[in-house]
Amino acid sequence: EILLTQSPATLSLSPGERATLSCRASQSVSSYLAWYQQKRGQGPRLLIYDASHRATDIPARFSGSGSGTDFTLTISSLEPEDFAVYYCQQRSNWPPTFGQGTKVEIK
Amino acid sequence: QVHLVESGGGVVQPGGSLRLSCGASGFTFSCCAMHWVRQAPGKGLEWVAVISHDGNDENYADSVKGRFTVSRDNSKNTLYLHMNSLTSEDAALYYCAKDWVATISTPRHLDFWGQGTLVTVSS
Repeated sequence: EILLTQSPATLSLSPGERATLSCRASQSVSSYLAWYQQKRGQGPRLLIYDASHRATDIPARFSGSGSGTDFTLTISSLEPEDFAVYYCQQRSNWPPTFGQGTKVEIK
Repeated sequence: QVHLVESGGGVVQPGGSLRLSCGASGFTFSCCAMHWVRQAPGKGLEWVAVISHDGNDENYADSVKGRFTVSRDNSKNTLYLHMNSLTSEDAALYYCAKDWVATISTPRHLDFWGQGTLVTVSS
C-alpha cells in the first residue's frame, strides 16, 4: 500500500501567519490526493481534492498544490478556527491511505 | 445538508461481535458509495471498508477482511458494519463517510463524515 508521510508533525504559528503543510507519497499518486481538517471531537472535513480543487464552501485561504509524490497544503493567513489537525489521503490505489497528520497549534 | 450519525459502539470482549449503524439524511442515500474509516485513540485515520451505491460491490482493508462485513439498506437510508472476532487492534472511533460517486472501481475522496461511534475491546 502507498505510504503517506506528512511534515512537520506539529506546526506552531500565530493567527494571521501562513501555514505550509507537506505530504509525501511513497510512490506516485498522480494528482489523486485530498486534504482533510479535523477538529477535536469532530469527524474530518474535506478541504481539497485531487491536489488543488477546493471542496464546497471551503474558504479561498486554503489552497493545495503538487503532483506525483510531493504535495502541499497552504493556509494563506491563519484564522482562529484553522487550528486543528490536517490529514492527507491518496486515492490512486486500493486501499486508500492517510498520512499520520500535522497538528497546527497556536504559538 | 448532509448528516451522518453513527451508532452501535460500545464495550465488547475480545473475540466478540458488534454491529455499527450509520443513519444518513440530507442527500439521496442510494446515490453514492459509502465507507467506514476508523481512528484508534490518539492515532491517525485508517480506511476500513467501502460498499457501492446498490450494495453489490464491497472492498475491505486487509486488517479486517474475513471478519468485517459492510452492508446497506437504501430503503432505510442506513449503512452497517458487522464486526466479528474483535481484538484490541480494532478498538477505535468508527466513522462512516460518504463517497461522491456510486461505484467503487477506484478509490475516492470522502466528501462528508459523521462524528463517529466508539468501539472498545476489553475483557
